[in-house]
Amino acid sequence: ELKVEQNPLFLSMQEGKNYTIYCNYSTTSDRLYWYRQDPGKSLESLFVLLSNGAVKQEGRLMASLDTKARLSTLHITAAVHDLSATYFCAVDTRDDKIIFGKGTRLHILP
Amino acid sequence: EPEVTQTPSHQVTQMGQEVILRCVPISNHLYFYWYRQILGQKVEFLVSFYNNEISEKSEIFDDQFSVERPDGSNFTLKIRSTKLEDSAMYFCASTTLLSSQGKNQPQHFGDGTRLSIL
Repeated sequence: ELKVEQNPLFLSMQEGKNYTIYCNYSTTSDRLYWYRQDPGKSLESLFVLLSNGAVKQEGRLMASLDTKARLSTLHITAAVHDLSATYFCAVDTRDDKIIFGKGTRLHILP
Repeated sequence: EPEVTQTPSHQVTQMGQEVILRCVPISNHLYFYWYRQILGQKVEFLVSFYNNEISEKSEIFDDQFSVERPDGSNFTLKIRSTKLEDSAMYFCASTTLLSSQGKNQPQHFGDGTRLSIL
């Protein structure tokens, strides 16, 4: 069964710092998603990563995918308070299930 | 921008009762999903639906659960004989293409229905 593991699960960091969230998964997948969730809200799509070596950037967030290592990273550059949220990676299995990681709760201190 | 809409936003039900959660996916989307999220926990896949039938379901989606697309716009999740542990946020999502067809579109999520079982 596909397992998706994120780390860290909790992250408190200062504004202006850089950090990386890691997402490991256990079996072959066609694609990987990153979502953001604010408390009590729905899931907002951030990135869809389709192939080995894919890198996407939006503002201070950059996501990458290494399908050989079964690893995706979400890198935060010069963090700002508005980025405080829970970030989920999700892996799309080839039989049309989407398996989510446990999420990384990010708290950025002013 | 088109949205997935879910109703009600909050449903409170006595244990043992049946509930129906409603979703209106984005109009040109063909693939529909239900997920649940127990408070403070991860998002769990329940079921995917395409061409008026279930495409895939998880171990959570047992005989207590059913889905239906009764008309051209609604997509419903029915939970029979609700239990306390069914209390969660239920999210509906839709997208245009299946993974096997090389989709590069994310799933669009609704705002969720908070289900509270008393």
